[in-house]
Amino acid sequence: DTEVTQTPKHLVMGMTNKKSLKCEQHMGHRAMYWYKQKAKKPPELMFVYSYEKLSINESVPSRFSPECPNSSLLNLHLHALQPEDSALYLCASSRDRVVNTEAFFGQGTRLTVV
Amino acid sequence: AQTVTQSQPEMSVQEAETVTLSCTYDTSESDYYLFWYKQPPSRQMILVIRQEAYKQQNATENRFSVNFQKAAKSFSLKISDSQLGDAAMYFCAYSGGSNYKLTFGKGTLLTVNP
Repeated sequence: DTEVTQTPKHLVMGMTNKKSLKCEQHMGHRAMYWYKQKAKKPPELMFVYSYEKLSINESVPSRFSPECPNSSLLNLHLHALQPEDSALYLCASSRDRVVNTEAFFGQGTRLTVV
Repeated sequence: AQTVTQSQPEMSVQEAETVTLSCTYDTSESDYYLFWYKQPPSRQMILVIRQEAYKQQNATENRFSVNFQKAAKSFSLKISDSQLGDAAMYFCAYSGGSNYKLTFGKGTLLTVNP
């Protein structure tokens, strides 16, 4: 199993809503990542978890709150988002935080904030 | 800071022909890794090929090969016998230094014409 599974695939939410994005992998990877990707742009790193602990936060606004309940799951909790937060949110995992090992990406969640 | 530059926003190739995508990077590190990722319309980022900087031999994966010129800081991707399924956005990426972040180029949109 070399899959990273993200749910939901599409999400529309209002600016006052609270929602969560989920990511799951069963490859035994100990590093997991959240990226944000705007249309026709490269992915931008948001958060890195290593061994279930947050190791990198790329100065992401607090309306985005990551959580890593266990080594297989990664969540991104969303609250009071702005329309400019609309984007594709990609989850990735790798064997460990040393990125020379292959990073596997999910198909992403297409988020629209209205 | 490390930067990755892809100077070709768009490229096109005829089916069965060969195409080369360009990538240059800037770094002061001696130990690093370079990647080409493919992102088709399905949105999932897929690793195409990986190169370790300390290896002089160019990496090859079936129809995909790289021309790694370390002194020139160049890392181009050659796709031979292009197929319709190769149509996608291709991102060049760098990883190295103490934080092991993946730094992406802006991408090259490849169209394969039948």
